[in-house]
Amino acid sequence: ELKVEQNPLFLSMQEGKNYTIYCNYSTTSDRLYWYRQDPGKSLESLFVLLSNGAVKQEGRLMASLDTKARLSTLHITAAVHDLSATYFCAVDKGGSEKLVFGKGTKLTVNP
Amino acid sequence: EPEVTQTPSHQVTQMGQEVILRCVPISNHLYFYWYRQILGQKVEFLVSFYNNEISEKSEIFDDQFSVERPDGSNFTLKIRSTKLEDSAMYFCASSDPDRVNEKLFFGSGTQLSVL
Repeated sequence: ELKVEQNPLFLSMQEGKNYTIYCNYSTTSDRLYWYRQDPGKSLESLFVLLSNGAVKQEGRLMASLDTKARLSTLHITAAVHDLSATYFCAVDKGGSEKLVFGKGTKLTVNP
Repeated sequence: EPEVTQTPSHQVTQMGQEVILRCVPISNHLYFYWYRQILGQKVEFLVSFYNNEISEKSEIFDDQFSVERPDGSNFTLKIRSTKLEDSAMYFCASSDPDRVNEKLFFGSGTQLSVL
């Protein structure tokens, strides 16, 4: 059974600081996704990572994928308050239609 | 940017009642999904739908649940006899035929409250 573990589950950081969220998964996967969710809102797609060594960046967020280690990271650079949200990683099990989500990391960026 | 739309945004129902949650996927998409999120918990897969049939379903998607694409634009989730534990946010999602760079687009969700 595919399992997805995120850590930390809660992250409080100050504006201007850097931090990394980790996503480990248990079996081989075709794709890894990062989503952002604001309270009471839907899931906004941030990144889709398709291959080993993939790195994508958008603004202050950068995601990477190491398929050998079954690890993805979401790096936050010089955090700002607007980045406060819950971030989910999700893994597409090979040959399956479904995404398996991690529990999410609730990020709070304090002024 | 095109988006997945869901109605209603909130649904309150009595235990044992039937509910139908509605979704309009992005127009050229061919793969459709329902996920749910119980308050404060992670997002869980319910079912995927392609070519007018269920392609995969989870253990949660038991006989009380059904999906339908009644016309060329709508995609519905029916819960026949709701239970208290069905209370959750239900998200519809769709993806396009390009399987190489598949991106899943989620709707804004229907918050279902079973009393």
